[in-house]
Amino acid sequence: AQTVTQSQPEMSVQEAETVTLSCTYDTSESDYYLFWYKQPPSRQMILVIRQEAYKQQNATENRFSVNFQKAAKSFSLKISDSQLGDAAMYFCAYRSDAGGTSYGKLTFGQGTILTVHP
Amino acid sequence: NAGVTQTPKFQVLKTGQSMTLQCAQDMNHNSMYWYRQDPGMGLRLIYYSASEGTTDKGEVPNGYNVSRLNKREFSLRLESAAPSQTSVYFCASSERWGSSNTEAFFGQGTRLTVV
Repeated sequence: AQTVTQSQPEMSVQEAETVTLSCTYDTSESDYYLFWYKQPPSRQMILVIRQEAYKQQNATENRFSVNFQKAAKSFSLKISDSQLGDAAMYFCAYRSDAGGTSYGKLTFGQGTILTVHP
Repeated sequence: NAGVTQTPKFQVLKTGQSMTLQCAQDMNHNSMYWYRQDPGMGLRLIYYSASEGTTDKGEVPNGYNVSRLNKREFSLRLESAAPSQTSVYFCASSERWGSSNTEAFFGQGTRLTVV
């Protein structure tokens, strides 16, 4: 079974600065997807960014980028030019690409609460 | 708006009471899921339905039952609520596989308190 670990329960950053959230995972599979979800106080789960394991290039979405290290099984999220609206809980998630058995199930990390100071 | 609709948003139950959480999606997804979110534990899969007519246990199925009523709807039932089931519940849907449709869409969650 896959596991996802977020070792930082809380992080803080000054507005306009950069912060990196860490995520490690354990799997014996070679094909999978990794995600970062944002959960603001409204509870809504919002997809921030996704990474396909077969792609060597790190995914980017505007101010959000990842550092995907497949051999190390590491998947960190970098938020540049942090904004007050970035304050939220962030979850790292794993999805197997084993089409016959995975059925799109997600395995989540414990979450990291990000505080942004003005 | 298209998406996943989950009801109710809040619920308080007494120990031993039963209730059903409703979920519907209008994205024509084959797969649907129920997760629970607890502090320090992230989201954990309770049950999932890979396609209409099938359901299967996830990581924490004890105390729950599910019904995939049709392709759109997937309900979660607590037959005899216990304080350990106090949690935030999320319904989600996605395609089962495929590189172009990997995103899961979530409902707004149900905060359930069992007293």
